[in-house]
Amino acid sequence: DTGVSQNPRHKITKRGQNVTFRCDPISEHNRLYWYRQTLGQGPEFLTYFQNEAQLEKSRLLSDRFSAERPKGSFSTLEIQRTEQGDSAMYLCASSWAGETQYFGPGTRLLVL
Amino acid sequence: DAKTTQPNSMESNEEEPVHLPCNHSTISGTDYIHWYRQLPSQGPEYVIHGLTSNVNNRMASLAIAEDRKSSTLILHRATLRDAAVYYCIPPRRDGGTSYGKLTFGQGTILTVHP
Repeated sequence: DTGVSQNPRHKITKRGQNVTFRCDPISEHNRLYWYRQTLGQGPEFLTYFQNEAQLEKSRLLSDRFSAERPKGSFSTLEIQRTEQGDSAMYLCASSWAGETQYFGPGTRLLVL
Repeated sequence: DAKTTQPNSMESNEEEPVHLPCNHSTISGTDYIHWYRQLPSQGPEYVIHGLTSNVNNRMASLAIAEDRKSSTLILHRATLRDAAVYYCIPPRRDGGTSYGKLTFGQGTILTVHP
């Protein structure tokens, strides 16, 4: 039973660069969620997919952020023109039909 | 979403029971209470959930007040590995019978002393 995996685990980038993160959910899960967590705070919801359809997006997801799940399996989260305020842990979770969510280890982003 | 209130921090000694409280006075009658925890440098981990009656699993027990306005997560014998941030979450149903996003608060930082 492989859990949710995320790559890379760490990313350091310069302000203005684009970054892309990947999430591989638990194989039979049809829902995939993205959250962001800054230091000392709880995770904040960004968006979620059911299969390949993006069903909800948070106001936190500015137009510099885009998420895809093209075949209903893995998902990518891209941040364009990164800003220092984007520095955070990006967490992915998956579930079957909105039941218990299982989280990956996260991708820690540092924007210099 | 229902609002939750948890203590910022709690401390325990190893092998002693820990009772982590949560107030959720605005929860709707059909929403389950979920508990997650987050160990240092890891993603959140599901612990337990329940609706009205008390629930037990291999990780913990959940005691839910009769009026459902509060609940208590019980770790029967705390270990050093239980040191984490514990989140009480009444998730919002997404229009059907399933849950969408989780709304995390600040949670309770549990420190376990050897």
